[in-house]
Amino acid sequence: ELKVEQNPLFLSMQEGKNYTIYCNYSTTSDRLYWYRQDPGKSLESLFVLLSNGAVKQEGRLMASLDTKARLSTLHITAAVHDLSATYFCAVDWGSNYQLIWGAGTKLIIKP
Amino acid sequence: SAVISQKPSRDICQRGTSLTIQCQVDSQVTMMFWYRQQPGQSLTLIATANQGSEATYESGFVIDKFPISRPNLTFSTLTVSNMSPEDSSIYLCSVMGLPSSYNEQFFGPGTRLTVL
Repeated sequence: ELKVEQNPLFLSMQEGKNYTIYCNYSTTSDRLYWYRQDPGKSLESLFVLLSNGAVKQEGRLMASLDTKARLSTLHITAAVHDLSATYFCAVDWGSNYQLIWGAGTKLIIKP
Repeated sequence: SAVISQKPSRDICQRGTSLTIQCQVDSQVTMMFWYRQQPGQSLTLIATANQGSEATYESGFVIDKFPISRPNLTFSTLTVSNMSPEDSSIYLCSVMGLPSSYNEQFFGPGTRLTVL
């Protein structure tokens, strides 16, 4: 069965701290996506990771992909309140770009 | 990225009726998809909208319940037929294959559907 597991599902943290969200998947895939969703809003594309060892950074967020371990991480550095949102990872598994989604990690960053 | 619009943005419908949701993109795209997201939940892919041919449905979704059209490379519709309260959800279209970012999938603003 195709599965994408995120953990933690909920994370409350203080501003200024570092933390990592993990995304494990069960299928062979070389394409992994991270999205952000604010309450009541649609999804915003953050990163597309296309190969083993890929690392991308944007501001305080850094994503990496290890296809051999079937693991991606989203690292948050010196968190700020504006990063509060739900973060989803998704894995491309099919020949037609179908995505399998993790359950999402709800991140709350307290001032 | 592209500008993706969906109509309507929200609707409240009666049980047994049907609603058609439109998705319009301002650029030609290769792929268009329809998703469902229930409140506080993750996304579930309903189908891939194929231009000029029948949509490809995921397990648990059928054409009679969710007919989809895609007449060209910038437009698609999803109909939710014979609605029941269980169909209350957010419906999202997404697109892929923009020349500027071929591997990224971008989402429309969503349609929030409530069925009474």
